[in-house]
Amino acid sequence: EVQLLESGGGLVQPGGSLRLSCAASGFTFSSYAMSWVRQAPGKGLEWVSATSASGASTYYAGSVKGRFTISRDNSKNTLYLQMNSLRAEDTAVYYCAKHPDIGSYYYMDVWGKGTTVTVSS
Amino acid sequence: QTVVTQEPSFSVSPGGTVTLTCGLTSGSVSTSYYPSWYQQTPGQAPRTLIYSTKIRSSGVPDRFSGSILGNKAALTITGAQAEDESDYYCVLYLGSAISVFGGGTKLTVL
Repeated sequence: EVQLLESGGGLVQPGGSLRLSCAASGFTFSSYAMSWVRQAPGKGLEWVSATSASGASTYYAGSVKGRFTISRDNSKNTLYLQMNSLRAEDTAVYYCAKHPDIGSYYYMDVWGKGTTVTVSS
Repeated sequence: QTVVTQEPSFSVSPGGTVTLTCGLTSGSVSTSYYPSWYQQTPGQAPRTLIYSTKIRSSGVPDRFSGSILGNKAALTITGAQAEDESDYYCVLYLGSAISVFGGGTKLTVL
């Protein structure tokens, strides 16, 4: 069964850092592009960042560019999101999502259950 | 900045048909945007319903269908059921790995 399991969320002060992880199983992780998507409390979904299957290419939404870094360790089947200079508006549930194949980003076919990040003093 | 528009809310009677739309504040939606649709119930992760405009994801009932209607992408539910009461999000792919979500439509079945 294809599964994505996020972890690493928690409470952090404004200006602080946090690293999220997404453990993948049930598929050949190294063959698929991946993304992070977030949802602020009571709000809609927002695409945050994507990475190619190899990790060599990374992409960011304007709201997080320069503060967040997406990466992956294909030997550990794990996707990461390093979040620095966190702001209150980064408070959200963060989902990792799988793309349908190695070079396609046009939709997400599998979603994790999410991990909650709260930025507050 | 690309803004994707959706109806904030919609209601449908059980057994009825409803069409949710996904547009752009500037321009028309075409298949080149590879519209996709996701269903989310409160407290749950999104579920992929439709991709590439009209292809149903595995396990999605055939009462869900996607299309382009005029200058918008559309998600039609034919024969709505109580369990279809959810939030529905469309996504347009802008290229270069960048996707934009619409604001979502809260569908009530009553």
